[in-house]
Amino acid sequence: EADIYQTPRYLVIGTGKKITLECSQTMGHDKMYWYQQDPGMELHLIHYSYGVNSTEKGDLSSESTVSRIRTEHFPLTLESARPSHTSQYLCASSVSSNQPQHFGDGTRLSIL
Amino acid sequence: DQQVKQNSPSLSVQEGRISILNCDYTNSMFDYFLWYKKYPAEGPTFLISISSIKDKNEDGRFTVFLNKSAKHLSLHIVPSQPGDSAVYFCAASAVRGGGADGLTFGKGTHLIIQP
Repeated sequence: EADIYQTPRYLVIGTGKKITLECSQTMGHDKMYWYQQDPGMELHLIHYSYGVNSTEKGDLSSESTVSRIRTEHFPLTLESARPSHTSQYLCASSVSSNQPQHFGDGTRLSIL
Repeated sequence: DQQVKQNSPSLSVQEGRISILNCDYTNSMFDYFLWYKKYPAEGPTFLISISSIKDKNEDGRFTVFLNKSAKHLSLHIVPSQPGDSAVYFCAASAVRGGGADGLTFGKGTHLIIQP
């Protein structure tokens, strides 16, 4: 079972601030993902990575950016937060495409 | 347009009975399907999956059925227990599709197990 950790769990911050959401996994999975979920809605893929130095945009357009300098670490950054960025952000990892993705507990972000 | 649909936002089942959660999909490229369970303030937890080469997969109390011609899958939980009360998400991916390598999710069904 994958161990995947997200920090912070909750963040309330003002408009215009730069935010980095952290995601780390300890299982050595090459594939990592970021999803965004609004209350009562489905999860939407916003970024994914096949491995170190690989990043791709997902199905849902997002103003956030990601980086993958180390296998275990896949941070997401918002350069200038806006109220429209208020949402839950979930990170996941997997061994391969035909294996389950394992999720962290998410970061609930509120932009005032 | 939603490619994965869970048409029942909620479902109430008596403890000990069978819970059946349904999911429909529209993308014929999907070939790998999963069910996740989610408690409030936690991330989704993987339950069970099925490849399109199968029509049934069983793991303990959980069984997933896939009907490719109808583009429909269902999750059966027998017997239902109070700890099964959660939101259940259906998800799908096109492993051989060569597109964005992620899961497409439904909106979830809130399962409530009544004592």
